[in-house]
Amino acid sequence: GAVVSQHPSRVICKSGTSVKIECRSLDFQATTMFWYRQFPKQSLMLMATSNEGSKATYEQGVEKDKFLINHASLTLSTLTVTSAHPEDSSFYICSAMGTGGSYGYTFGSGTRLTVV
Amino acid sequence: GENVEQHPSTLSVQEGDSAVIKCTYSDSASNYFPWYKQELGKRPQLIIDIRSNVGEKKDQRIAVTLNKTAKHFSLHITETQPEDSAVYFCAASMNYGGATNKLIFGTGTLLAVQP
Repeated sequence: GAVVSQHPSRVICKSGTSVKIECRSLDFQATTMFWYRQFPKQSLMLMATSNEGSKATYEQGVEKDKFLINHASLTLSTLTVTSAHPEDSSFYICSAMGTGGSYGYTFGSGTRLTVV
Repeated sequence: GENVEQHPSTLSVQEGDSAVIKCTYSDSASNYFPWYKQELGKRPQLIIDIRSNVGEKKDQRIAVTLNKTAKHFSLHITETQPEDSAVYFCAASMNYGGATNKLIFGTGTLLAVQP
């Protein structure tokens, strides 16, 4: 089946630094990537949607200059949390979809970000 | 945009009993309704899904029903087992496979199956 590899699984960073999270589709072309954030005991909140080669579309309330999304290839999308603060500590997870909805919504394994 | 509400937020059942989780969605254009099981710190796992042209779907102990008119869908788990204990999320997507196909999640239900 379709697989999305997400790295790192856990990261601790200092306040004010930036962190990059990668999601790679291993056996299909991910034309669309969705990025979610999940706080403890809460739901998955969609942050942004990106289509390969295009600028990401951010959900209301998500700062696009803080959460930089790059989807330059059909197998790789990255989320960079810039100038991270403790309130950015969360579980970040990507979900990839192929052309025309192929492979459904394939989730990465998630990244636990802790900002100290 | 789409809004998905989910009830109850917590559900405790005895092993062998049935569990039912209900969701409502706001946008009548939504056409794809998956259910996910998520264990702590893990990715959501798709357990069953239904499309808007179908009213009911069943897979062994799990079934999903969809009422398009009322804009609600439900997850039914029969003969619950302790390993069914997890957080369950419903979700809805508009224009699945098209240009606008973002998946919006419900608020989640913590299911506890007591042995």
